[in-house]
Amino acid sequence: GENVEQHPSTLSVQEGDSAVIKCTYSDSASNYFPWYKQELGKGPQLIIDIRSNVGEKKDQRIAVTLNKTAKHFSLHITETQPEDSAVYFCAASKSSSASKIIFGSGTRLSIRP
Amino acid sequence: EPEVTQTPSHQVTQMGQEVILRCVPISNHLYFYWYRQILGQKVEFLVSFYNNEISEKSEIFDDQFSVERPDGSNFTLKIRSTKLEDSAMYFCASSLNGVTGELFFGEGSRLTVL
Repeated sequence: GENVEQHPSTLSVQEGDSAVIKCTYSDSASNYFPWYKQELGKGPQLIIDIRSNVGEKKDQRIAVTLNKTAKHFSLHITETQPEDSAVYFCAASKSSSASKIIFGSGTRLSIRP
Repeated sequence: EPEVTQTPSHQVTQMGQEVILRCVPISNHLYFYWYRQILGQKVEFLVSFYNNEISEKSEIFDDQFSVERPDGSNFTLKIRSTKLEDSAMYFCASSLNGVTGELFFGEGSRLTVL
């Protein structure tokens, strides 16, 4: 089955700097790659996603890139702010309806003031 | 904004007891999921549910687990005889279009088995 690896497990950046989180996946049939943000005591919340027919997607300060050949994808947060502090999970799934999302192990991002 | 709601927020139970965790998905959503997260670990898939039946389940979802949509609004997860290792945060999620669309997660139910 699908396996998603994520690193780093923790990341501390200065406010205003950029943060990059990287993931790899094992199943070449996976074609949907969401990123979730989990704040303390809350459920994961989708922040951005990318499908395998696209190499890059951007939404304000957040961007994701996908390299299908290498089976890896990355999250980039620019101009980080204190409210970006959270745990971020990458995930992968196949597009058949109701199929499961497989999560990475998470990255705890801390923004230093 | 519509949201997925879960009850209870925290339940403490003795090993061997039955537990039911309840979820009210977003009203027009068609796909429902349970995930769990052991403290400090990744979010793990348990089961997906569509058209009143299980679509897929993980190896974690053994005979001790069951799901039900009893009344068209609630979606429940039952653990028949809890074990210590069932202690985790359980998240319900729903989606309008399966995982090709956004999954909306509830805030979770923390289960502590003593």
